[in-house]
Amino acid sequence: DGGITQSPKYLFRKEGQNVTLSCEQNLNHDAMYWYRQDPGQGLRLIYYSQIVNDFQKGDIAEGYSVSREKKESFPLTVTSAQKNPTAFYLCASSRGGPNQPQHFGDGTRLSIL
Amino acid sequence: SQKIEQNSEALNIQEGKTATLTCNYTNYSPAYLQWYRQDPGRGPVFLLLIRENEKEKRKERLKVTFDTTLKQSLFHITASQPADSATYLCALARDSNYQLIWGAGTKLIIKP
Repeated sequence: DGGITQSPKYLFRKEGQNVTLSCEQNLNHDAMYWYRQDPGQGLRLIYYSQIVNDFQKGDIAEGYSVSREKKESFPLTVTSAQKNPTAFYLCASSRGGPNQPQHFGDGTRLSIL
Repeated sequence: SQKIEQNSEALNIQEGKTATLTCNYTNYSPAYLQWYRQDPGRGPVFLLLIRENEKEKRKERLKVTFDTTLKQSLFHITASQPADSATYLCALARDSNYQLIWGAGTKLIIKP
């Protein structure tokens, strides 16, 4: 079945450590997105990519980095510069364009040790 | 900037009744509005999309309306079932780029 796979499901970060969240899709979608979800808030966009080797900052990109070397993959690195990383991280993909639905993975929950 | 408001209080509905959820926005009318369902610990799942020139969209027991005068979308589930219990999110498209603005969601509880 086609879909989006995020791993790991749970992740713990130590102080000063960078961690990388994986996102893979086999939907042949051009666009991919990373969101952060906190209790009581809407999804906030961290980064998005419309095409391979290109990505754009979203509303809360500080302390995060991404790469898009392959169409299928869009990993997110949470750096030590992100002082409040505890959240539920969601990856999504779409065909691109505002009239296209986004397909989501089941998220990675990141916590601080 | 555009803001989206969804009722933060949980909505409790008796099984078999119609559940109605509200999504209000504050600024420009979006070209597209989308509704998603999210279960605990899972990613959102797309349900329906409505365009600004459409008044209503239906899919099985689901219906979405879009009133650009009131700056509001309503999401209806008819003949509700306990399995419909979830958090429902609305999202608006920003102009012609790929970004969506998301509401915080409303938790729907269908009681048997």
